[in-house]
Amino acid sequence: QTVVTQEPSFSVSPGETVTLTCGLSSGSVSTSNYPSWYQQTPGQAPRTLIYTTNTRSSGVPDRFSGSILGNKAALTITGAQADDESDYYCVLYMGSGISVFGTGTKVTVL
Amino acid sequence: EVQLLESGGGLVQPGGSLRLSCAASGFTFSSYTMSWVRQVPGKGLEWVSGISGSGGSTKYADSVKGRFTISRDNSKNTLYLQMNSLRAEDTAVYYCAERPGYYFGYWGQGTLVTVSS
Repeated sequence: QTVVTQEPSFSVSPGETVTLTCGLSSGSVSTSNYPSWYQQTPGQAPRTLIYTTNTRSSGVPDRFSGSILGNKAALTITGAQADDESDYYCVLYMGSGISVFGTGTKVTVL
Repeated sequence: EVQLLESGGGLVQPGGSLRLSCAASGFTFSSYTMSWVRQVPGKGLEWVSGISGSGGSTKYADSVKGRFTISRDNSKNTLYLQMNSLRAEDTAVYYCAERPGYYFGYWGQGTLVTVSS
């Protein structure tokens, strides 16, 4: 069973930079996993931020960026703002039409 | 404007059945793979099932395989999820999502399914 791991939580001060990661329980994440990232606030549907590793979805501020860092996918928020306080999920494509969500990271901005 | 509107959620007893619908508008529905994703209240997101644009290819998470069936009616721009043999652990908000590539694009607002006696 594939497990996609994320940090449970991060606290960041306004204006700071934070990098969230998305890894595999076994193996490395690569661009062939087409990593994507989603933001979700309580009671709302997820919002697509980043797809295919580093492409920002329409309307997403450029303070959000995606990359591969070492053996993980990464989402960097440069200059965090108060309304970035949300849960963030990554998704990895595992082939054969199967995608797996990460465990999610709760970001607090204070 | 892309819109996805789920319906059909509600309270059902364990072992029961429910059919969810997702009405799509604002894009060429038949051209896109569609998916169902669920979220247990207070927990993370879980991909449940996907279907190709033509409906000819379907995929399921192991947790629902053999119990859930995804389908679509391209003439009605509607996606379905037939859920049988429901269990307490199927209680969740169910989202439909458009899938333009190896990711989820637009999302509906979700419909809550509660499995309880």
